[in-house]
Amino acid sequence: GENVEQHPSTLSVQEGDSAVIKCTYSDSASNYFPWYKQELGKRPQLIIDIRSNVGEKKDQRIAVTLNKTAKHFSLHITETQPEDSAVYFCAASKGYSTLTFGKGTMLLVSP
Amino acid sequence: DTGVSQNPRHKITKRGQNVTFRCDPISEHNRLYWYRQTLGQGPEFLTYFQNEAQLEKSRLLSDRFSAERPKGSFSTLEIQRTEQGDSAMYLCASSLAGGGDEQFFGPGTRLTVL
Repeated sequence: GENVEQHPSTLSVQEGDSAVIKCTYSDSASNYFPWYKQELGKRPQLIIDIRSNVGEKKDQRIAVTLNKTAKHFSLHITETQPEDSAVYFCAASKGYSTLTFGKGTMLLVSP
Repeated sequence: DTGVSQNPRHKITKRGQNVTFRCDPISEHNRLYWYRQTLGQGPEFLTYFQNEAQLEKSRLLSDRFSAERPKGSFSTLEIQRTEQGDSAMYLCASSLAGGGDEQFFGPGTRLTVL
């Protein structure tokens, strides 16, 4: 089955800095890669996703890149703000199917 | 509220008891997923329905776990003879076939087995 590795497990940055979280996946048939943000005690919420026919996608301060050959994808957050502090999860699936999640990255943005 | 809802939000039970959780997906969504999340981990897939058909079950899912979606709308997850290791957050998600792959999550049911 699919295996998703996520790094780092914790990331501390100063407000205004950039943050990068990296994930690798094992199943070359995976074609859908979402990123979820989970605040303490709340449900996971989708912040951005990318499909295997696209190499990069951007939405305001958030961007995701995908390297299918290397089987890795990354989340980039620019101009971080304290409200970006949360746990971020990457995931992979073969589309219309179940998600396999990474173990999460706790991002702390200090003012 | 048009999002995914789950009940109860919290459940405390004694080891050996049975528990049942309910998930109401977004109304037009025909796919429904159950995940389990323990502290410091990502959600782990349990089972998945399309309409009323259960299409996939995790190999990790014990026989003590059963899920139903009798009319293709709400779903229930039952755990029989609960064990302390069942303590976790149980998350439900839904999506629309043909509408993209995005899964929308509910707030979860936190189970504590004493």
